[in-house]
Amino acid sequence: GAVVSQHPSWVICKSGTSVKIECRSLDFQATTMFWYRQFPKKSLMLMATSNEGSKATYEQGVEKDKFLINHASLTLSTLTVTSAHPEDSSFYICSERTGNKNTEAFFGQGTRLTVV
Amino acid sequence: KQEVTQIPAALSVPEGENLVLNCSFTDSAIYNLQWFRQDPGKGLTSLLLIQSSQREQTSGRLNASLDKSSGRSTLYIAASQPGDSATYLCAVVYQAGTALIFGKGTTLSVSS
Repeated sequence: GAVVSQHPSWVICKSGTSVKIECRSLDFQATTMFWYRQFPKKSLMLMATSNEGSKATYEQGVEKDKFLINHASLTLSTLTVTSAHPEDSSFYICSERTGNKNTEAFFGQGTRLTVV
Repeated sequence: KQEVTQIPAALSVPEGENLVLNCSFTDSAIYNLQWFRQDPGKGLTSLLLIQSSQREQTSGRLNASLDKSSGRSTLYIAASQPGDSATYLCAVVYQAGTALIFGKGTTLSVSS
C-alpha cells in the first residue's frame, strides 16, 4: 500500500508554544489530506480536509486559527498547533487520498502531543 | 447523524479461537467500508476495503463481510494469535474522496 510518513511520532511542548506536525506521501501524489484527532478510548474525529494548493476545510468546532493546515505540495501537508494548551494534548494522525477515489485510505504513524 | 458503532468494545480470547468483530452504521448509503488495525500509540494499518457493491473481502486469516441493506459489517479472524492483539477499527465513507467516519473500535486481546 501507499506510504504516508508522519513526523514527529511524539512531542512534548510547553504551554503557549507552537508545534508543527508534518505528513509526507512518499510514493504517490496526495491530492487530499485529512487530519484527525483521537482522544483516549475514543474514535478518530476528523479535524479538517486539505486539498493541495487551496485552503483547508475545517469541521465544526475546530478552530482554524489554532490548528493551521498547509498543503502546499502534492507530497506534503502540515498541521501547526499554535499557542498550545494542555487540552490540546492528544493523538493527531493524517490520512491521504489519491486521485483514484476507489483506493484505500492510508494513514501516517500518528503524533502523540503532550502539552505541559 | 451518520454514526458507526462497534461491538464489543473489548474482547479477550485464548489463542487459536475464531472470532467475530461487529460494526454497524446508521446510514446504509455508504460508498465503501474499511477495517483497520491500530497498535497502542501507533497509526492505522489498513486490513480490508469493501466497496458498497461487494459482499466480502478476504486476506489471509481475515474475512470481512458487508450487508449494506442492514447497515452491518463483520470482521472474522480465524485461528487467532497473540500477535493479533490490537484495536480494530471500522470506518465508512459516504461519498467518494471524502473522509472516513470511524467507530470507537474493538480492543482484542489474544492470550497464549
